Amino acid sequence: QKEVEQDPGPLSVPEGAIVSLNCTYSNSAFQYFMWYRQYSRKGPELLMYTYSSGNKEDGRFTAQVDKSSKYISLFIRDSQPSDSATYLCAMSGGSTGNQFYFGTGTSLTVIP
Amino acid sequence: NAGVTQTPKFQVLKTGQSMTLQCAQDMNHNSMYWYRQDPGMGLRLIYYSASEGTTDKGEVPNGYNVSRLNKREFSLRLESAAPSQTSVYFCASSAGIQETQYFGPGTRLLVL
Repeated sequence: QKEVEQDPGPLSVPEGAIVSLNCTYSNSAFQYFMWYRQYSRKGPELLMYTYSSGNKEDGRFTAQVDKSSKYISLFIRDSQPSDSATYLCAMSGGSTGNQFYFGTGTSLTVIP
Repeated sequence: NAGVTQTPKFQVLKTGQSMTLQCAQDMNHNSMYWYRQDPGMGLRLIYYSASEGTTDKGEVPNGYNVSRLNKREFSLRLESAAPSQTSVYFCASSAGIQETQYFGPGTRLLVL
């Protein structure tokens, strides 16, 4: 079983839609949860960073962590064509040592 | 402030050839990482350096060597390239282990 599971999509939505991206994980020791955005032929860039459970909001982006269900989500409100990218979840912490574990990424296209 | 830089951007090798991928960061980060990214596999950690003078294996270290030349630079060497090493290689850095990682633009490597 992979440490982190992420639906690869692709996901296609109209401009202005609310987008929900999700990851599940198996290791209850994870404490740090991140979302990265990766444009085509570019390196991943950090979008959101949360520690432990709860919600974090930054503009149109909201990250949620549910440690009891081992489930994290990224919501994008009022999606824009510039949001078209691959979104990667990542997590680390606790007994995992020094490694980050990344999901395989979900490809999102926002259609004008 | 360039962040994380990688050279070269693209390289074609023949099986058995060697090469070194270079990475440098100007954020005064302590920790540096090398990942490979393959379709359907996500980002996989090859090697990392928690601090200057130390290196450790990640998930997929076979066929690679690394050198932490100084605090800024972390190189990845392929001694005898194989077609299975065709991938996109990303370098990343962070202030400390398990802190947010910042990625370079990547090196696309094709081994024929």
